[in-house]
Amino acid sequence: GENVEQHPSTLSVQEGDSAVIKCTYSDSASNYFPWYKQELGKRPQLIIDIRSNVGEKKDQRIAVTLNKTAKHFSLHITETQPEDSAVYFCAALPTGFQKLVFGTGTRLLVSP
Amino acid sequence: EAGVTQFPSHSVIEKGQTVTLRCDPISGHDNLYWYRRVMGKEIKFLLHFVKESKQDESGMPNNRFLAERTGGTYSTLKVQPAELEDSGVYFCASSQGMGGIGAEAFFGQGTRLTVV
Repeated sequence: GENVEQHPSTLSVQEGDSAVIKCTYSDSASNYFPWYKQELGKRPQLIIDIRSNVGEKKDQRIAVTLNKTAKHFSLHITETQPEDSAVYFCAALPTGFQKLVFGTGTRLLVSP
Repeated sequence: EAGVTQFPSHSVIEKGQTVTLRCDPISGHDNLYWYRRVMGKEIKFLLHFVKESKQDESGMPNNRFLAERTGGTYSTLKVQPAELEDSGVYFCASSQGMGGIGAEAFFGQGTRLTVV
């Protein structure tokens, strides 16, 4: 079955710096890759997603890239702000299945 | 529009007791999922309902866990008897579809279960 690995587990940056979180997946048939952000005490919320027919997607300060050959995808946050501090989860949706497989999460801390 | 709601938000029970978690999905969402996160680990799939039917329960740890979705609306997840390793945050999510139109899975705030 699908297996998703996520790195790093924790990431500390200064406000204004960029942050990159990387995930790899094992099932080459996976076709949908969402990223969820979970702020302290709140629910995970979708912040951006990408499908396998696209290599990059951007939404303001966040972007996601997908390399199907290498089976990895990354979340990029530019000009980080303290409110970006949260746990970020990547996930993959294997083709033919209806369940997301999640990574272990990355705790991002943005210091003022 | 109300989001996915879960009850209770926290539960502390003794080993051997029974606990029932409830999830109310977004109205109209046929797909309902249960996930669990043990501290520091991934959000792990437990099971998936389509309306009232169990589509996939491959992630259920053992027969101490029982999930129901009567009438295809809210769902309950019962743990009986609870063991220490059942501690974690139980998330419910709902969606209209997955990977296609209406793909987004909306999560509840989770139930933090502590078994002592």
